[in-house]
Amino acid sequence: TQLLEQSPQFLSIQEGENLTVYCNSSSVFSSLQWYRQEPGEGPVLLVTVVTGGEVKKLKRLTFQFGDARKDSSLHITAAQPGDTGLYLCAQGMWGAQKLVFGQGTRLTINP
Amino acid sequence: EAQVTQNPRYLITVTGKKLTVTCSQNMNHEYMSWYRQDPGLGLRQIYYSMNVEVTDKGDVPEGYKVSRKEKRNFPLILESPSPNQTSLYFCASTPFGGRSYNEQFFGPGTRLTVL
Repeated sequence: TQLLEQSPQFLSIQEGENLTVYCNSSSVFSSLQWYRQEPGEGPVLLVTVVTGGEVKKLKRLTFQFGDARKDSSLHITAAQPGDTGLYLCAQGMWGAQKLVFGQGTRLTINP
Repeated sequence: EAQVTQNPRYLITVTGKKLTVTCSQNMNHEYMSWYRQDPGLGLRQIYYSMNVEVTDKGDVPEGYKVSRKEKRNFPLILESPSPNQTSLYFCASTPFGGRSYNEQFFGPGTRLTVL
């Protein structure tokens, strides 16, 4: 069974602080996506990566992907209340149009 | 506006009463799927469809049925709902290109409570 573990599951910090969320897989992934979900809405894609070792930036968000293609991290610099939400990583499976989701990290940024 | 719509958004029902949750997308996507989201478990795929009349089981298909008679619609059917099917349900669509890294577009969710 493929497992995708996210940590921490809950994180509450003050505005302006930095934070890192981790996503670890029990197997090598073909692709990895990060989604953000806000209350009452469906997840929305933030980034997709397909190359081991890749780093992508989206404003204050930096996504890193392990060389071994089994782990990933999301780093937020100077967090803002608008960053509050549920962050989900999703692993693509080789040869299949299918994503396996982690359990999510619920992030709260306090003003 | 490109979107995935679901109806109803909220539903409270009783055990054994058949229900259907509709899903429709206007992006001409081939691939559609249903997920359920439960606390601490993330999103788990229930069923998916690669195109019209082509459906297959996901990771948690027990107690659910689907159909894909038209490209834009992918209804989720619970023939005899039970309390363990109380959950938040999402429909998603994606353009199928044989790649697992296409963006999935999610609907707004349906919160189902089975008493």
